[in-house]
Amino acid sequence: DQQVKQNSPSLSVQEGRISILNCDYTNSMFDYFLWYKKYPAEGPTFLISISSIKDKNEDGRFTVFLNKSAKHLSLHIVPSQPGDSAVYFCAASNYPFGNEKLTFGTGTRLTIIP
Amino acid sequence: ETGVTQSPTHLIKTRGQQVTLRCSSQSGHNTVSWYQQALGQGPQFIFQYYREEENGRGNFPPRFSGLQFPNYSSELNVNALELDDSALYLCASSPRVAGRQETQYFGPGTRLLVL
Repeated sequence: DQQVKQNSPSLSVQEGRISILNCDYTNSMFDYFLWYKKYPAEGPTFLISISSIKDKNEDGRFTVFLNKSAKHLSLHIVPSQPGDSAVYFCAASNYPFGNEKLTFGTGTRLTIIP
Repeated sequence: ETGVTQSPTHLIKTRGQQVTLRCSSQSGHNTVSWYQQALGQGPQFIFQYYREEENGRGNFPPRFSGLQFPNYSSELNVNALELDDSALYLCASSPRVAGRQETQYFGPGTRLLVL
């Protein structure tokens, strides 16, 4: 039972354009969501998070949007840079766990084309 | 400040054997979590240790066990290895400050192959 789903295994975007990565979840108890980025031979690196009391959180080029009614979140990267090429994982947790005991999606491989 | 390190980087075992994987937490981090990432999947939470006690467990059988030491380093032990245990095992450490869990920092993982 996949509670966090990333339905696009891969995405290619031109350098400078916007990258949009999507994530859906089924467990309505989830109230904290995170995005992690993973390069080959490295562990996942935290990018950005959002609590269920918000619908948007921004950090530099990265913005996460949360639509609770649709159980959907997305990560926007603007502008996309070659160094953004990596696998992106969406993750979720429920109170009171916050940043821990995460349920991950299967990942989306983002390739930025120079 | 050193990050999270794991050893070994790669390991090959046969079915039925036992394996121990090691994790050295980032300095000052008192909580360690272990995740299993099978090929083509996202990481799955195995369990977490806080101050040497198990503090939550995912949907993994008892043959997956762990330890956390006073210096906050940790071990993951898997007994009676099965072919499906072949995966990347990730360790993540984080500080717990005033009851609040901060961001987890992941190590590079140990890739286990069970033949």
